[in-house]
Amino acid sequence: DGGITQSPKYLFRKEGQNVTLSCEQNLNHDAMYWYRQDPGQGLRLIYYSQIVNDFQKGDIAEGYSVSREKKESFPLTVTSAQKNPTAFYLCASSIVASLNTEAFFGQGTRLTVV
Amino acid sequence: QQQVKQSPQSLIVQKGGISIINCAYENTAFDYFPWYQQFPGKGPALLIAIRPDVSEKKEGRFTISFNKSAKQFSLHIMDSQPGDSATYFCAASMPGVNALNFGKGTSLLVTP
Repeated sequence: DGGITQSPKYLFRKEGQNVTLSCEQNLNHDAMYWYRQDPGQGLRLIYYSQIVNDFQKGDIAEGYSVSREKKESFPLTVTSAQKNPTAFYLCASSIVASLNTEAFFGQGTRLTVV
Repeated sequence: QQQVKQSPQSLIVQKGGISIINCAYENTAFDYFPWYQQFPGKGPALLIAIRPDVSEKKEGRFTISFNKSAKQFSLHIMDSQPGDSATYFCAASMPGVNALNFGKGTSLLVTP
């Protein structure tokens, strides 16, 4: 089964703690993305990567960090510097081509700070 | 700031009716305009997409209308069904940068 797997589905974090969200894809896509979704806000881009060992900040990168050591994996760390981390986090991937193509999304991780 | 503006925020349509969702953008460098459908607790899935060299694209009951001069595009859902009840997002991206800029979403409810 090809697709994007995000884990865990639900995550609880205490204030002041870092937490890492997992995203794995077996679609052989070069590009991967992290979005944050809040009610009424749409999806906002946190980070994206178009190739291994390279990534760029999106619109709301502050308080987050990523790595791209393998093509299949793009983990997101929510650090204690993120002031309001409670949200639904979505990972996506796409092929990289001269014309933009479909982005495939995972099922999301709901992070709650307690 | 929001590069893609979407309206309405919510929409209620009777079964069999037409649902219309509108989006507007400012950046003329955008060249790819997809619509995504999202059900509660799930990730979004591509519904239909258009490029600015055509003014309309139809796939089954779903149609995108694109007005390049007005920098607007819209989604029309014909013969709306209760199973279409979901949140719909328009988006746009620039050539060579696959990252999507999303609208804030429209919550559609189709009543029986």
